[in-house]
Formats: sequence, C-alpha cells, structure tokens
Amino acid sequence: AQSVTQLGSHVSVSEGALVLLRCNYSSSVPPYLFWYVQYPNQGLQLLLKYTTGATLVKGINGFEAEFKKSETSFHLTKPSAHMSDAAEYFCAVSGGGQNFVFGPGTRLSVLP
Amino acid sequence: GAVVSQHPSRVICKSGTSVKIECRSLDFQATTMFWYRQFPKQSLMLMATSNEGSKATYEQGVEKDKFLINHASLTLSTLTVTSAHPEDSSFYICSARDPAGSSYNEQFFGPGTRLTVL
Repeated sequence: AQSVTQLGSHVSVSEGALVLLRCNYSSSVPPYLFWYVQYPNQGLQLLLKYTTGATLVKGINGFEAEFKKSETSFHLTKPSAHMSDAAEYFCAVSGGGQNFVFGPGTRLSVLP
Repeated sequence: GAVVSQHPSRVICKSGTSVKIECRSLDFQATTMFWYRQFPKQSLMLMATSNEGSKATYEQGVEKDKFLINHASLTLSTLTVTSAHPEDSSFYICSARDPAGSSYNEQFFGPGTRLTVL
C-alpha cells in the first residue's frame, strides 16, 4: 500500500521568500512521485515528477523537488515566491502499476 | 501530447435528474481511465477505475448503481450520476494512462467538471 502525507495544510510566505512544501510518502515499491498545482475551480497542473534517475527534479514555474529515499521525502521548493504561486498543491505517489494516491494538499498563500 | 478533455466543464441540474460527464483522451489511446471526486478544500478521492471493454472497478463506499461508468472505446469514458441529489455536488476529475507512453505509472488529468445539484 502507498500513502502520502503533507505537513502543513496551509503555508504562508511573503512575496520573494523561499517556498517549501513538505511531502513524505510510504511505498512498498520504487515510487513515482508527482507534484500538482490546482488553482480555484480548475483541474490539476503537473509541476514536476520523479520517476527514476536524477533525484533533483526541476519543474515549471521555477519549482524543484528532491527525492530523498532515506527520508522518504519529496519536498517542493521555489527560491522566490510570486503572487501567482498562491494555489493548492498536491503531492502524489504511484508505482508498481498501482493507482495514484494523493496527499491531503497544502494551500499556499503569498503575502505582498 | 497526452491531453485529456472533459465535457461539460460545468453543469447544474435539478435533484432527481441524471447527468453524464465525458472524458476523452485526445492524442492517445487509453485502455485505463480513472474517475476522481473532489469536495471543496479536500484532496482527490478515487471513485473507480475504468477499463475499456470491461466493467469498472469501484472503490469501497462508492455506489456503482449511482455512478455508472462506461468505457466503450479507447478514447472515451463516461460517468453518469443517476438520480442526482445535492450531496452529489462536487468536482469530478478524470485521468487516463497512456500505455504506449514512457511511464505506465503516470496519469494524465482532465480539467474537471463542476456538478451542482439544486
């Protein structure tokens, strides 16, 4: 079975500050890990994904995430927050042909 | 590539009526599609897995007679909410696997359908 936890249901940062959204997973098979962003009343947009290979993954809009197997983590970061980054962020795990499991989500607020 | 569409994007209906939502893979053939439900300020919950040419597999607690799923072709799956009630109001999102793609473990998501039952 697989599971995902996201520490912090709501994170607030100032514009220009570092964004750090936490994701920890549990998986009995090599995981595929994903971060999605969802704006109000819209679908999911893929930010980045880890499948195999390089553990530091770069995505769209300046986001990146690092897969740390020893810590079972896949935290999302962005060096400098922009007002347009305010949204809901979901971490998800897949692997071994199993279905996606989503985390509970983290709402990011960006303060001017 | 790997684009999934949904129609309609928004639907409002009266209580007791049925509503059909379509999910299409536009540039690939999807043998497996998935239907999720998302309540306000919550995460996505898998409702069912739809396999082309066979019966859908429903998650525990999902009423299969209420949420009818048909996957009659490799590019189309439909979700019909029968006798809809206000508690069925939600955001419904579909996704699809591209079996010919580089990652079997990835899903491509549609833009979602907002259902409001009055």
